[in-house]
Amino acid sequence: QVQLVQSGAEVKKPGASVKVSCKVSGYTLTELSMHWVRQAPGKGLEWMGGFDPEDGETIYAQKFQGRVTMTEDTSTDTAYMELSSLRSEDTAVYYCATGNMGNYFDYWGQGTLVTVSS
Amino acid sequence: DIQMTQSPSTLSASVGDRVTITCRASQSISSWLAWYQQKPGKAPKLLIYKASSLESGVPSRFSGSGSGTEFTLTISSLQPDDFATYYCQQYNSLPWTFGQGTKVEIK
Repeated sequence: QVQLVQSGAEVKKPGASVKVSCKVSGYTLTELSMHWVRQAPGKGLEWMGGFDPEDGETIYAQKFQGRVTMTEDTSTDTAYMELSSLRSEDTAVYYCATGNMGNYFDYWGQGTLVTVSS
Repeated sequence: DIQMTQSPSTLSASVGDRVTITCRASQSISSWLAWYQQKPGKAPKLLIYKASSLESGVPSRFSGSGSGTEFTLTISSLQPDDFATYYCQQYNSLPWTFGQGTKVEIK
């Protein structure tokens, strides 16, 4: 069984960057396709990007291109999502989730609240 | 991007009711659709994939149907644990997109 444990809540100022981690257990990160989905307060789900197993590359939603970087440390089975140039609209819960064949999401982390406020 | 539209946005129902939620895609997505359940303060939970395949461990009162542009999620007999928000997600074309959600409330 896959378990995903994310890092704790963050408070950042506008213009700063945040890096959220997602520790995998039960499987190795190389066996999984990791994605990131966010949810603004009271709003719906928004896919940010993730690993495409067909191409072997990380793909990003165009909305976040240039501001988001998703990386993996296979030695510790930990995935990371870094979002830069934060603005108030980036206040959200950020989830890591494993993509089954890179498509739908079968396992989810518990979420990390990122608050952007001056 | 493919737009996913769910209806209704809110649904009031009683325990034991049959509940149907609709999800429409702005273009054909074949059967590449998933459904999720989310409870307040919790991560989403996968219920259905490929439009009608039940995820392991999900109660059989949940079912999905449809193809092309119109899809439904049905709960055959609503249980107290089913009061939650439900989302559809297409994975036919990048970027993967979700519906806006349907909140199932107690009547």
